[in-house]
Amino acid sequence: LAKTTQPISMDSYEGQEVNITCSHNNIATNDYITWYQQFPSQGPRFIIQGYKTKVTNEVASLFIPADRKSSTLSLPRVSLSDTAVYYCLVGVSNQGGKLIFGQGTELSVKP
Amino acid sequence: DTAVSQTPKYLVTQMGNDKSIKCEQNLGHDTMYWYKQDSKKFLKIMFSYNNKELIINETVPNRFSPKSPDKAHLNLHINSLELGDSAVYFCASSQGTGWDTEAFFGQGTRLTVV
Repeated sequence: LAKTTQPISMDSYEGQEVNITCSHNNIATNDYITWYQQFPSQGPRFIIQGYKTKVTNEVASLFIPADRKSSTLSLPRVSLSDTAVYYCLVGVSNQGGKLIFGQGTELSVKP
Repeated sequence: DTAVSQTPKYLVTQMGNDKSIKCEQNLGHDTMYWYKQDSKKFLKIMFSYNNKELIINETVPNRFSPKSPDKAHLNLHINSLELGDSAVYFCASSQGTGWDTEAFFGQGTRLTVV
């Protein structure tokens, strides 16, 4: 499965847009890109998934360039409650639904 | 209504003891998992069950034995607990195992072995 690289941590302020970029140079043709969010003392929660171009839902947007070697999770107007760890996952779940988590990006939103 | 629930939430026990963690999901999913999150926050899959059958066993010591009495339950029994077993254990479930699998995680069980 493709290995992912993300910043270990990021700081932001309330109301700002936050963009977290994930590199996945070895992504395979049939791999999808998925992001999970984990709050302290909770399990991870699915945020968004995409294959190419742009995907948007009520929580975030996911931008994927044509070469698909990276992806950017965009959180509009963050609030204190968006403080969490964000994981980028790449790979086809063709082995029992196994999810491979990297180190994640610890986002800290300040007032 | 909690989708994936685990009990207990906290578990403190001595080395050498045997303990169990229970997990139940009310989402009607056919696949359930156990993940382990260590002190460095790395999440790693341990087991995956589909329709009560084991489909993933990620080189976990055989002191760990999952049991799935039915599709809605996946319990984890740990024998002869060791200090290194201290971690947060997450149960999860999903509908199917395809590329678009969205896993739903429980709140976690923080196991501390002393």
